[in-house]
Order: sequence, then structure tokens, then C-alpha cells
Amino acid sequence: EVQLVESGGGLVQPGGSLRLSCAASGFTFSSYSMNWVRQAPGKGLEWVSYISSSSSTIYYADSVKGRFTISRDNAKNSLYLQMNSLRAEDTAVYYCARGPVLGEADYWGQGTLVTVSS
Amino acid sequence: EIVLTQSPATLSLSPGERATLSCRASQSVSSYLAWYQQKPGQAPRLLIYDASNRATGIPARFSGSGSGTDFTLTISSLEPEDFAVYYCQQRSNWPLSITFGQGTRLEIK
Repeated sequence: EVQLVESGGGLVQPGGSLRLSCAASGFTFSSYSMNWVRQAPGKGLEWVSYISSSSSTIYYADSVKGRFTISRDNAKNSLYLQMNSLRAEDTAVYYCARGPVLGEADYWGQGTLVTVSS
Repeated sequence: EIVLTQSPATLSLSPGERATLSCRASQSVSSYLAWYQQKPGQAPRLLIYDASNRATGIPARFSGSGSGTDFTLTISSLEPEDFAVYYCQQRSNWPLSITFGQGTRLEIK
């Protein structure tokens, strides 16, 4: 059974940093690209970042480019999102999602809430 | 950036009825269009990929159609568990753009 479990969310002040993790199991992690997608409270979905299976291809949404860094450790079956210079508008539930192909997310974690507030 | 516009914003129907949800793209996305279902407090679930292919485990009452700029998700006969929010999502390769529609809320009449 495919499982994705996010962690690392919490309350952070504007301008602060946070690192999210996603632990994957139930599939060959190193064979799949991965994504981060977020959802602000009561709002719709926003794709944040994509990383290919070998980390050779990485994309970011314009809203986070230069502030967020996606990475993965295939030996640890883990995906990460380093978030710096956080803003109030980054407040959201952050989901990691498996991507069999670019732009598709076939399995999702339950999400971790990031709140940016003073 | 390609903008996806979903209609209607809210659809009120009864179990057993047919639901038709629309997604229109501001420019052609070929067939790179997916549909997701999200229930309150849950993560989204992939229903349809590449406009018309059902994802693993998705019941046959869900079907997708369209290409270019106009897409449709059809639920042939609504079950109680189908009442949720539905999102369409596109991806275009050059320049890279991955965007979601604003969602359609399917509610029980």
C-alpha cells in the first residue's frame, strides 16, 4: 500500500524558515517523481514544486521560486521542502504527492499545516 | 500562465442523478488535464488523467472527456459518497505551467 506521511509543519514567524519532510513507503520511491502541493485554509489547490526521480529536473511555482528548495533522499525514501523567507500567504496545508508523470499526482499524503504569523 | 475556469461553482443534485462538471482552459492544454476529488478534511484523490483515463480503483461511473480547451467530468449516477469538491488540473511543458481550477462543489440537493 502506498503511504506518504508529511511532517515538520507548525507555527513560524514571517521571515522564518521551516523544513518539511515526507516519508514514503509501499512503492519504489527512487522510480517516481514527487511533488509538493499546498492548500490555503478554505481555498483551492496550488502546485508548489516538482522533483524528478533522480533529482535531475526541478521546478517551482513562481510564488515560491528563490525561497523554497525541494530535495529528496532516495536511500531514505524521503522528500523534503526547505522553506525560507516565509510570508503570511504561505500559510497552508502542504501535501506531498507522488507524480508518475509531470503534472500528475496519483497518491497524496494527509498534509502538514504551516502557519506563518507573528 | 494557463488559467482553468470551472463551472458551475456549486452544483446541487440528488443521489442517482447525472452530474456534468466543466473545465475550460485559457489556451490549449492538449489532453494534459486531470480531475481530482476532495472531501472535507481529506487529501485530494486522482480520478481522471490525460483527460479521459480513469485512475486505479476509480469506479466506472466517473468519466472524463475533452481536449484542447474544453473538458468535462461526468458522474453517471451519483452515489452518496460522491458529494465533494472537484478540481481540474493542467500541465503544459513550455513554459512549464501546472495549475488547478478553482473547484466545483457538488452538494446534495
